[in-house]
Amino acid sequence: EVQLVESGGGLVQPGGSLRLSCAASGFTFSTYWMKWVRQAPGKGLEWVASIKQDGTEKYYVDSVKGRFTISRDNARNSLYLQMNSLRAEDTAVYYCAREWYSCGDYWGQGTLVTVSS
Amino acid sequence: EIVMTQSPATLSVSPGERATLSCRASQSVSNNLAWYQQKPGQAPRLLIYGASTRATAIPARFSGSGSGTEFTLSISSLQSEDFAVYYCQQYKNWPPEYTFGQGTKLEIK
Repeated sequence: EVQLVESGGGLVQPGGSLRLSCAASGFTFSTYWMKWVRQAPGKGLEWVASIKQDGTEKYYVDSVKGRFTISRDNARNSLYLQMNSLRAEDTAVYYCAREWYSCGDYWGQGTLVTVSS
Repeated sequence: EIVMTQSPATLSVSPGERATLSCRASQSVSNNLAWYQQKPGQAPRLLIYGASTRATAIPARFSGSGSGTEFTLSISSLQSEDFAVYYCQQYKNWPPEYTFGQGTKLEIK
């Protein structure tokens, strides 16, 4: 059974940093693109970043470029999102998802990031 | 950026009836269009990709159609578990700049 479990969310002050993790199981992690998608409270979905199977290609939505870094450790079956210079507008539930034809076919339950003083 | 616009924002339909949801792209995305279902407190669930291909284990009452800029998600004979928010997502461009519609809330009439 495919499982994705996010962790690392919490309350952080504006300008602070946070590192999200996503533990994958039930599939060959190293053979899939992976992505992060976020959802602000009561709002819609927003793609944040994607990473190729071997980590050599990474892509970001414009609003997080230069502040967020997506990475992966295939030996640990784990996906990460390092978030720096956080802003109030980054407050959201962050989901990791497995990419299938550029879609997310399996999603984690999400982890809430709240940026507030 | 390709803007995705869904209509209506809210759709009220009775159980057993058919629901038709629309999604429009600001420029052609060919058939690079997916539909997701999201229930309160849950992660999104992939329903349709490639505009019309059902994802694994998705019931046949869900169907997608369209290409270019106009797309439709149809749900025949609505079941109680189908009342949720539905999002469309385009994935045309490379490098990726995936964008979602704002969602359609399907509620019980």
